[in-house]
Amino acid sequence: DTAVSQTPKYLVTQMGNDKSIKCEQNLGHDTMYWYKQDSKKFLKIMFSYNNKELIINETVPNRFSPKSPDKAHLNLHINSLELGDSAVYFCASSLEVGGSSGNTIYFGEGSWLTVV
Amino acid sequence: AQSVTQPDIHITVSEGASLELRCNYSYGATPYLFWYVQSPGQGLQLLLKYFSGDTLVQGIKGFEAEFKRSQSSFNLRKPSVHWSDAAEYFCAVGAGANNLFFGTGTRLTVIP
Repeated sequence: DTAVSQTPKYLVTQMGNDKSIKCEQNLGHDTMYWYKQDSKKFLKIMFSYNNKELIINETVPNRFSPKSPDKAHLNLHINSLELGDSAVYFCASSLEVGGSSGNTIYFGEGSWLTVV
Repeated sequence: AQSVTQPDIHITVSEGASLELRCNYSYGATPYLFWYVQSPGQGLQLLLKYFSGDTLVQGIKGFEAEFKRSQSSFNLRKPSVHWSDAAEYFCAVGAGANNLFFGTGTRLTVIP
């Protein structure tokens, strides 16, 4: 009964490949996010969706494409993977707009992506 | 522009000792402040949050944090640390639309 679940948890792949990370939340939230944690543990937002509509796209390369088939799911597809894409990717959700509105953002357990 | 500073990259404390993790923020409006914990190989878990009202907020696992507007700080405290508290701690400020800005984290090591 995990609130925000993402798969796979670990992914090792070669440069140039295309991969997807799936995310689902069972909290009934309207807003979902993808955050990236780099090798220095710095966390930064990549995308935010509210009711399946893109709200935030933080200067992320076009190789990254989020897809939200419904408001409970936000998948992340990455084309032509590069070494620098190695990171931990966190999916998250909040009831409505999070952060500055005061709604708590709940995070998944992360997906560890290693590009070799 | 908003920012969060966690001045201590790494802190080591003995089990049973008290703990204070520092967090300073910069934000033009009334801040919403959060502390998250990340155990090794795990995701982010919310410890506590401040939205308004009482400036001393209680969280899970015996943690508390105090919002001090005059010092732009939101330090996290625990009176007696347990070995299971060893983890990475992140302070964050809610800013803009749908966003959290995170500090760079403080790694806590607990010595038996």
